[in-house]
Amino acid sequence: KNQVEQSPQSLIILEGKNCTLQCNYTVSPFSNLRWYKQDTGRGPVSLTIMTFSENTKSNGRYTATLDADTKQSSLHITASQLSDSASYICVVRRNNNAGNMLTFGGGTRLMVKP
Amino acid sequence: DAGITQSPRHKVTETGTPVTLRCHQTENHRYMYWYRQDPGHGLRLIHYSYGVKDTDKGEVSDGYSVSRSKTEDFLLTLESATSSQTSVYFCAISRGLAGVDTQYFGPGTRLTVL
Repeated sequence: KNQVEQSPQSLIILEGKNCTLQCNYTVSPFSNLRWYKQDTGRGPVSLTIMTFSENTKSNGRYTATLDADTKQSSLHITASQLSDSASYICVVRRNNNAGNMLTFGGGTRLMVKP
Repeated sequence: DAGITQSPRHKVTETGTPVTLRCHQTENHRYMYWYRQDPGHGLRLIHYSYGVKDTDKGEVSDGYSVSRSKTEDFLLTLESATSSQTSVYFCAISRGLAGVDTQYFGPGTRLTVL
């Protein structure tokens, strides 16, 4: 069964600290993996997309890693800011041409406190 | 933000009544999607469209129908709403090269069925 599991479910950190969010998947055949940020009351917004051959990709203070062998990804946030408070969703795309090709994780809810 | 609007943004209705949610896009994208988001679940695909009058089912399509008579509008209809359809509904479009396209989400519609 195609699944995406994220951990932790929720996380509280102090402003300025770093944190790492985890994503494990069993989706097959694998095409790519995306991380989305979802602010409360809004739709998800794409942070990064990683293909099979990419191990690391950065977007400002966000760095995503991918290990396609172990089917794991992580999202590292450096020097957290209050505006980083949001849910972070890991999404895996299957390698097919159908429209229903995405599997979404349940998200990690991050709260950054001053 | 890919020019996606959803209406209404909030709706409260009673069990057994019909409900239609509208998604409107301004950029002529071919693919459009309807998702629902519930606590404890990742986003789940209800239906999607790959062109005018071309639609297909997602993983949670029971109780829902869709229509796309114009490129810019994708309608989601609950023929007879049930309490289990209380959820936040997101519309999305795909933008970019096939296989590495990114989904852009609308602001969401919060539906409560009493």
